[in-house]
Amino acid sequence: GQQLNQSPQSMFIQEGEDVSMNCTSSSIFNTWLWYKQDPGEGPVLLIALYKAGELTSNGRLTAQFGITRKDSFLNISASIPSDVGIYFCTGAGGTSYGKLTFGQGTILTVHP
Amino acid sequence: ETGVTQTPRHLVMGMTNKKSLKCEQHLGHNAMYWYKQSAKKPLELMFVYNFKEQTENNSVPSRFSPECPNSSHLFLHLHTLQPEDSALYLCASSPELQKETQYFGPGTRLLVL
Repeated sequence: GQQLNQSPQSMFIQEGEDVSMNCTSSSIFNTWLWYKQDPGEGPVLLIALYKAGELTSNGRLTAQFGITRKDSFLNISASIPSDVGIYFCTGAGGTSYGKLTFGQGTILTVHP
Repeated sequence: ETGVTQTPRHLVMGMTNKKSLKCEQHLGHNAMYWYKQSAKKPLELMFVYNFKEQTENNSVPSRFSPECPNSSHLFLHLHTLQPEDSALYLCASSPELQKETQYFGPGTRLLVL
């Protein structure tokens, strides 16, 4: 089946620092989605990308759909304590019609 | 608040119990999903429903039985579960199966003793 490699697995940063995480795949996806999950809660959609090369921002978050359609990155600028959580990349479309393929997640810890 | 609610939020059950998880979406979506999230593993898709019809059963054991009476409601009936079934069970919905942006509920934390 399709797999996503998400890195890094975890990050420990100081408040105010910028964060970057990425996902790569051996398969092509038509959609890339980035979710954030707080402890004990379900994933919440942060950014959706639908076109290769697309660069989209949502406040301090910026994500890009790689031109090859096999990768995506998420940047968080000027991190704050409430950015703590697990960030998941997901790919959709391609050969997995109607299904999402999830990365392993990046655990983000922000020290005040 | 994502528009997808799940009850109960927490559930402890014995291996001989029968219980049900409920999911309701208020988004007017037509596709609904059950996922299992275990520690240190990616989310695992269990079932997919599109316009109340099951379109995907991802090799899920028969002790998990889904039910979708209408496009807004999805149930997961649990019977004779095993301790390794303890996990966070997440429900999600999307406008259509082809519209792949999914919105998740808060999940039910299940512990099987």
